[in-house]
This record gives sequence, structure tokens and C-alpha cells, in this order.
Amino acid sequence: QVQLQESGPGLVKPSQTLSLTCTVSGGSISSGDYYWSWIRQPPGKGLEWIGYIYYSGSTYYNPSLKSRVTISVDTSKNQFSLKLSSVTAADTAVYYCARVVGGGLDYWGQGTLVTVSS
Amino acid sequence: SYELTQPPSVSVSPGQTASITCSGDKLGDKYASWYQQRPGQSPVLVIYQDTKRPSGIPERFSGSNSGNTATLTISGTQAVDEAEYYCQAWDSSTVIFGGGTKLTVL
Repeated sequence: QVQLQESGPGLVKPSQTLSLTCTVSGGSISSGDYYWSWIRQPPGKGLEWIGYIYYSGSTYYNPSLKSRVTISVDTSKNQFSLKLSSVTAADTAVYYCARVVGGGLDYWGQGTLVTVSS
Repeated sequence: SYELTQPPSVSVSPGQTASITCSGDKLGDKYASWYQQRPGQSPVLVIYQDTKRPSGIPERFSGSNSGNTATLTISGTQAVDEAEYYCQAWDSSTVIFGGGTKLTVL
């Protein structure tokens, strides 16, 4: 059973960089069958896709966030990571990591709330 | 940019059929997926590639996609199906989510 777990600071100051890591267990992140994605959900609002990465390092980002987002992968640790720079209160959200297969996101982490506040 | 539009809310009586729509330009030419999200929980994939159900998803969940509209149908709706539902599609290698539909079972 594949499991994904997000980790990182729950509080980030405005203008700083948000950094999260997703650890994958029960399967290899190096499998060529999957992409690995980040999604966020502001409190009380809908889902927003942030971007995804292939194990080779190829990335695709939401155009609206592209200038501030970096997603990277560490196959040796079976992890992938998110960095979002110059954060504001509008970046306060629950951040999820998920596995992408067959066009859908089939396994999701439990999510982690990141609050942007001084 | 590509957009997916869902009705904010749908109501259904227990045991009846619920239909949730998702509209987008030529959506039928793309694959649609659907997610169920209960309060305080992570989304769960219930339909992918328009009509396929992941393992463990009840048969009462089905999907279709044609023209500009994808539809999630829940037959014999149960109280446990009350949740937010999101459609999702791909456009130029990017992931698009609909705004979500609150399904109320009353």
C-alpha cells in the first residue's frame, strides 16, 4: 500500500520561502509509471494544482505560480519537495502531495496546514 | 486558461440518483477524473479516465464524458456519500480542477 506523508514548517513568515517534503513509502518514486504532484487548498476553498515532477526531474508547474515554485526529487530518499518563494497570506493553505497515474491522482497524503503570518 | 465549471451544490434524497456535472470547452476530448472529499479529509479518487473506478470504490459511482460536459453519477445515494466533489482534467500537460460541488443527502 503506497503512502505519502507531507512534512515541513506549519508557520512561515511573509516574504520567506515555504519548504515542504513528501516522503513516499510502499513504492518506489523512481517507477516510470507515475508523476508526483503538489496540490493546495486554502481554508474553506477548492483545490489548486501547484505542479508535478517525474523521477527524472522533469517538472510542470501551474502557470499562475510558476515564477515562485520549485519542485525537486530525491530518489535516494524516495522523496520529492516543494519550495514556494515570496509567500503572502494568500499562500496559507493545506498542502497535499499526491501520486499521478492514468490521468488521475490516486494516492494523497494527509495534508499539512501551512500558515503565512508574522 | 482552461476552466472547469461545476454547480456549487446538489441535493439528493437517500436511495435516489445524484448527478454532478463539470463543464469545459471540448472537455469530451480530454480525460476527466472525479474526487470525493469529506470534511477534514484528503480527496479520494472515485473516477478516472472518464469512466474507470479505482479499486475499492463502490459500483454506485459512475462517470461519463461527452461534448463539453463530464458527469459523475451516484446511484442509490447513501448518507455516507455526502461530501464535496471535484472534477479534474488535463490541459497542455497541466492539471485543472473544477471549483467543487457540495453534495447534500437529505
